[in-house]
This record gives sequence, structure tokens and C-alpha cells, in this order.
Amino acid sequence: DSGVTQTPKHLITATGQRVTLRCSPRSGDLSVYWYQQSLDQGLQFLIQYYNGEERAKGNILERFSAQQFPDLHSELNLSSLELGDSALYFCASSARTVPNEQFFGPGTRLTVL
Amino acid sequence: AQSVTQLGSHVSVSEGALVLLRCNYSSSVPPYLFWYVQYPNQGLQLLLKYTSAATLVKGINGFEAEFKKSETSFHLTKPSAHMSDAAEYFCAVSADAGGTSYGKLTFGQGTILTVHP
Repeated sequence: DSGVTQTPKHLITATGQRVTLRCSPRSGDLSVYWYQQSLDQGLQFLIQYYNGEERAKGNILERFSAQQFPDLHSELNLSSLELGDSALYFCASSARTVPNEQFFGPGTRLTVL
Repeated sequence: AQSVTQLGSHVSVSEGALVLLRCNYSSSVPPYLFWYVQYPNQGLQLLLKYTSAATLVKGINGFEAEFKKSETSFHLTKPSAHMSDAAEYFCAVSADAGGTSYGKLTFGQGTILTVHP
């Protein structure tokens, strides 16, 4: 158990819908990262937050957005969903002193029908 | 820009045999390098990391990796495979702290390890 929690574990929805994925980082970790894992694209970095502020952006679509709240949990919002958005979405967190060592949650499996 | 290439999407070994998973990286700054393991229907677990302290890095479950700057490689090895090692393994690179890609992990495509009895 990494200490990072993600909810829900599974999400099935239809095209055009909007969903919210939630992540709670390890206790004390200020950085949260979101990654997408799909069969065709592999593991791709989406976005990073540090103590409530956006720190880095990767291959994140404009239909996707994220935020980190004062209690440090983070949410990833996916809207106007398409079939191709079906994937595993991972959240990871890291400590301030070892920023590159990331601990991953169990993931949310999103299926868009 | 950083990138990682894992040679071989599938590796098959017999139980007790040497495990060798290959990873080559590209980075314009001194890298941090990682190996993660993913068991079916689970998240990624950190096996080991290189952060410039020592070129030979020991990790969990008997795995180790050697950083070779001249070859831009960070291959993962284990002397004797166990059935429980069957999983997918990912090599990842991250830029040095302070770079513009600070914190972001760039992953290879993964190598699925199969262990035969």
C-alpha cells in the first residue's frame, strides 16, 4: 500500500459525459501528479500540482482539467468524453525533499461506452 | 527533452534464471532514473531509483540496476527469477530538480516479464 488513495476504482460512462476522479496523496506529500495509461499511448504524464498550484503540464487535453485543494487532495475532471479517453488514470504523490520519487495510487479505470 | 526506450516488450525466462530488462534513456540534463513494477490490476510500485549517489543501485525483491552514463543505460537485473516476478516493468526518467520538466516522469513502453516453471 503506497498510501495514495484514488476513487472510484472503476467508472463506466457514456460519450459526451463528464466525470471527476479523486486522489488523496500520502500524508505530508505536497505534490500530486496525474498520469494516463492506455494501450496505444502507454503511460503519459498529464499534470502536476504542488501545494495547490499547477506546476507542470504534459499531454493533457483541453477537455481535461485538474485542481488541488487546501487539504491537498486533487481532482481530475474529464469532460465531453470520447471513446479514446478510456484508460487507467493514476495519481501519484511525492515529498518536497525527494520530488522525483513518486508513489502511485491504485488507479481509476475509466470506460467510455 | 527526455525519453526512455525499453528494448523488448516481452521477456520470458525460466524460474531460477537471470532476469535482464533493458532500458536506455536520453536526457539533456543529469537524470534521475527509476524502475517501477506493475502487477495485474494494480498501481505502480517503485523497485529502485538512481539519483547520482551510486551507479549500482539495489532495490526491493532482489532487483538491482546499474547506471552507465557512457551507454546511457539503466538495465534491470535479478540473478534468479521467481514466479512472483511475473509482471510488467517500466523504466522512467526525470529531469534534475530545477529543470523545466521538474518532477515529471517519462516512462518507457514497458516490458512484460513472464516466468516459466
